Amino acid sequence: QSVLTQPPSVSAAPGQKVTVSCSGSSSNIGSNFVSWYQQLPGTAPKVLIYENNKRPSGIPDRFSGSKSGTSATLGITGLQTGDEADYYCGTWDNSLSALVFGGGTKLTVL
Amino acid sequence: EVQLLESGGGLVQPGGSLRLSCAASGFTFSTYGMSWVRQAPGKGLEWVSAISGSGDSTDYADSVKGRFTISRDNSKNTLFLQMNSLRPEDTAVYYCEVSGGWGQGTLVTVSS
Repeated sequence: QSVLTQPPSVSAAPGQKVTVSCSGSSSNIGSNFVSWYQQLPGTAPKVLIYENNKRPSGIPDRFSGSKSGTSATLGITGLQTGDEADYYCGTWDNSLSALVFGGGTKLTVL
Repeated sequence: EVQLLESGGGLVQPGGSLRLSCAASGFTFSTYGMSWVRQAPGKGLEWVSAISGSGDSTDYADSVKGRFTISRDNSKNTLFLQMNSLRPEDTAVYYCEVSGGWGQGTLVTVSS
């Protein structure tokens, strides 16, 4: 059971928009920055969003992040088949003194 | 560009030990805290341990506390994870991570 809660899967058609939610608590999301990671099949995770809503260089603006209270959301617009991957949210938990992740969300582009 | 290269994984019997290394480049190593994160086959990400830039402060997941030790050599830009008393449930790909940058991972298999 992950500390952060994500939906197991989401799906949408090419060109459409999808959101992935990440729910936590006051000791993690409510107090710290959230990052989002993309893991393509058979590869290492890659950061898409850091500090809630910032994109590293090279990450297209189709990817966006937001945070409100104890929840965070990843948005992906203009979906492409190459976006099919597992997506994870992560943040520090002050009570656990640990980095915590969501269980991951599998994105299917239909 | 941040580059991280893990090594040291392999097959080990239950109760055995392994030492993982992560060679880092592309950033000022001693100024960044770093973490080890693992992923069991077909499972999600699990944080294992973290260390401050100076090496003075460390944290561990409950699942590895007392068995694993994280350390770093800032003169060699290298992060380590000493893993003792290994269990089958420690089988995973182990990644080193710094400020969102990840290595390619090294596979640890604990099996008799």
